[in-house]
Parts: sequence; structure tokens; C-alpha cells
Amino acid sequence: QVQLVESGGDVVQPGRSLRLSCAASGFSINTHAMHWVRQAPGKGLEGVTVISYDENNKYYADSVKGRFTISRDNSKNTLYLQMNSLRPEDTAVYYCARGAFQYFDWLSPDYWGQGTLVTVSS
Amino acid sequence: DIVMTQSPLSLPVTLGQPASISCKSSQSLVHSDGNTYLNWFQQRPGQSPRRLIYRVSNRDSGVPDRFSGSGSGTDFTLQISRVEAEDVGVYYCMQGTHWPVTFGQGTKLEIK
Repeated sequence: QVQLVESGGDVVQPGRSLRLSCAASGFSINTHAMHWVRQAPGKGLEGVTVISYDENNKYYADSVKGRFTISRDNSKNTLYLQMNSLRPEDTAVYYCARGAFQYFDWLSPDYWGQGTLVTVSS
Repeated sequence: DIVMTQSPLSLPVTLGQPASISCKSSQSLVHSDGNTYLNWFQQRPGQSPRRLIYRVSNRDSGVPDRFSGSGSGTDFTLQISRVEAEDVGVYYCMQGTHWPVTFGQGTKLEIK
């Protein structure tokens, strides 16, 4: 069955970097779009970034553009989120989520991981 | 960005009674391909979101048939025909028609 396991969350100081990983199983990430969605403590959900199945399209929320980079390693079936110049407002649980097969409904995530907590604080 | 507005934000319901959540978008969610990419998610306490409904009215695998979705254009509704204890949590609508994808504020369903 589809499984997504995030890792890499930590407590970091403002201005530092962190890389999150999402190990997928039960499907191949190179046939699906993949998302990162975050949830600040006690708050709602925010789409952070998405990568298309063929890697030709990568979109970012304005709040992270120029600081975060989404990528993947198909040989490891793993998705990554490189986060640079972190700010206190980036504090959140970061969820990895699978998008649809190829481009049909690719912006709608179906399966979600359990999330990893990133805390940005001095 | 498309703004998704849910109501009510708090929904106390008696067990066995129906519940309804409204979601309105600031612009049409009809994609250029003719489909409407409106989803509903459930987030139980301490858990990650689970998708219940996709493309307005299609139930995901394993979702009980007491959950149903309807609507078109900019107005959408999630209905639960008979609320059960396991339905407690926060419900979000989400549009996947345009980037950035956007979510409603969430509706907290609790048992009266």
C-alpha cells in the first residue's frame, strides 16, 4: 500500500538551512506529482511546493519562493525539500503528499505522510 | 490566490444526526479541461489529513458512504448523513484547479 515517511525535522536557528526527506513506498514517485504541505501549530494547511511527475513543473508558494527547493531521487523513490534562510514563520509540521498520476488532477494530493516538525527559533 | 471560505467554523452535532459544511471559492474552480478540482479532507486529532472527496463528489477508497460532496462553480458542500463518534476532527476544503492550491480555514466537528 502507499506509504510516505518524512524525516529531517529539527529545531534550527533563524537563517539556517534544513533538508527534509520523504521516502515513498507502494508506488513510484516518477509517475506522480509530489507535494509538500505545511501546518503551523494550531493552524490550517498551506501548500508549500509541488513537483510534476516529469519534473518539468515546479511551483512554490510566494512565502517560500527563492528560499525552498523541491527535488527528488527516483532511484531512491524519495522526495526532498531543501529549506534555506529559515524564518520563525516557517515553523510548522511539514507533510509530504502524493499528487495524482501524471498531470490529471495533479495539484490535488491524495495520500499524506505523518509529517515532520520544523521549529525555527533562536 | 483563490480564497476558500468555509462555514461554519465550529459544528457541534448530536450522534446519528446529519451535518453539513459549506465551502465557497473566490473564483470559479472549473479548470480549462472542464473538470472541477475541489477536494475535502478530514483531519482527526493528532493525525495527518485524509482525503475523503475528490472532484467535488467522488469518494476516495474506504470512505464511508455517509460522506457525500456536491456543488459546482464556486459553491460546494460536504454532507455527513449520520454523524458517528469517529467523525470528530477538522474538515478542510481545498482547490486543486490553480496554483497555489488553497485550503479553507477548517471546520471543527464535535459531538454535542
